[in-house]
Amino acid sequence: GAVVSQHPSRVICKSGTSVKIECRSLDFQATTMFWYRQFPKQSLMLMATSNEGSKATYEQGVEKDKFLINHASLTLSTLTVTSAHPEDSSFYICSARAPEGKSLYNSPLHFGNGTRLTVT
Amino acid sequence: QKEVEQNSGPLSVPEGAIASLNCTYSDRVSQSFFWYRQYSGKSPELIMSIYSNGDKEDGRFTAQLNKASQYVSLLIRDSQPSDSATYLCAVNILKNSGGSNYKLTFGKGTLLTVNP
Repeated sequence: GAVVSQHPSRVICKSGTSVKIECRSLDFQATTMFWYRQFPKQSLMLMATSNEGSKATYEQGVEKDKFLINHASLTLSTLTVTSAHPEDSSFYICSARAPEGKSLYNSPLHFGNGTRLTVT
Repeated sequence: QKEVEQNSGPLSVPEGAIASLNCTYSDRVSQSFFWYRQYSGKSPELIMSIYSNGDKEDGRFTAQLNKASQYVSLLIRDSQPSDSATYLCAVNILKNSGGSNYKLTFGKGTLLTVNP
């Protein structure tokens, strides 16, 4: 099956620093990747859609200058949390659609293992 | 009406029983439906995809889709303690016209506990 690899799995950083999270599609190409955030005991929240070769699309309420997304190749998207603060501590998960015999837009999302960010 | 609704649970069943998880959705033109399992502290894992009305079986899991009623369910037969997790229903919802504007929308999930 389709594999999405995310790195690092866990990061602890000091307030005010920036953290970069990488998301790779290992066995398929992904023109679009999706970044989610999940706070404890809450549901997944879509933050932004990462588009290869163009600007990311951010969901309402998500600061694009704080959460920088770069999708420079068909297999790699990165999310940089800039000037992180304790309230940014969360579980960040990337995902991508792999074609599975249906139109791409009807294919399921496959998730990376997530990155648990703790800002002290 | 919320786009994708699930009972939050918790749903508690004894080991060996059938667990039934339900989901309703608001968009009549949705074409693709998915069930994910999420263990505590882990990312979601795809269990089932279903696209046509009726039942789809995969091992102990059966997904059921009724587009007329806008209803999708997941049955887990012979439930095991290892099935204890949050189950997320996801539906592709059309946001704008055009194929690139589908958004996979998740329900809030149902917490299932299987008691030994």
